[in-house]
Amino acid sequence: DIQMTQSPSTLSASVGDRVTITCRASENINGYLNWYQQKPGKAPKLLIHTISNLQSGVPSRFSGSGSGTDFTLTISSLQPEDFATYYCQQSFTTLTFGQGTRLDIK
Amino acid sequence: QVHLEESGPRLVRPSETLSLTCDVSGGSLSIYYWSWIRQPPGKGLEWIGYIYSSGSTKYNPSLKSRVIISEDTSKNQFSMRLNSATAADTAVYYCARFLGSCSGGQCHYYFDYWGQGTLVTVSS
Repeated sequence: DIQMTQSPSTLSASVGDRVTITCRASENINGYLNWYQQKPGKAPKLLIHTISNLQSGVPSRFSGSGSGTDFTLTISSLQPEDFATYYCQQSFTTLTFGQGTRLDIK
Repeated sequence: QVHLEESGPRLVRPSETLSLTCDVSGGSLSIYYWSWIRQPPGKGLEWIGYIYSSGSTKYNPSLKSRVIISEDTSKNQFSMRLNSATAADTAVYYCARFLGSCSGGQCHYYFDYWGQGTLVTVSS
């Protein structure tokens, strides 16, 4: 299976900050990379698919980039509702998720 | 708008079969791919498998020997059975639509609609 490794595992930031979360695949996943946001007690929510395509209804402060094995999720200006756990997920082969990055209020 | 809702026993005895059903509204089973994903308490997400094209299935190799996903198109439902359950199968189980977006001969897939999840505990 392709392993997805996110960094950092935990990130503390303030409202208004620009934050970046990294996801690294154990091999080339040819752009088959998606990002999800999960809040406590809720199902994950799709933010971005296929590296950089913003899901309908997702604010434009979220963006994705990357290629090959390295991908990033960026939030340009953190809002209070953005504090959550973020997961990357590859669909190139047997579907796998990263371990998650918890974004906390500093 | 697509809505998914999981149902089934919340408590399963060790060695027995964990069975869940996902009711789908707003989307046809026969057109899309439909998946199960689980999340042990306090841990990350694990894909279990999906069903598509009127009954074809694909499973996570780590669970393939114990899981069966099926569908009932007359009820617009799909189901999962995981046999020989152990405490390690205790998790929140989600059903989700696995949507493909195709361009230039490539189709990229992602989970766009999710159920609210149901916690299943395996314990005696």
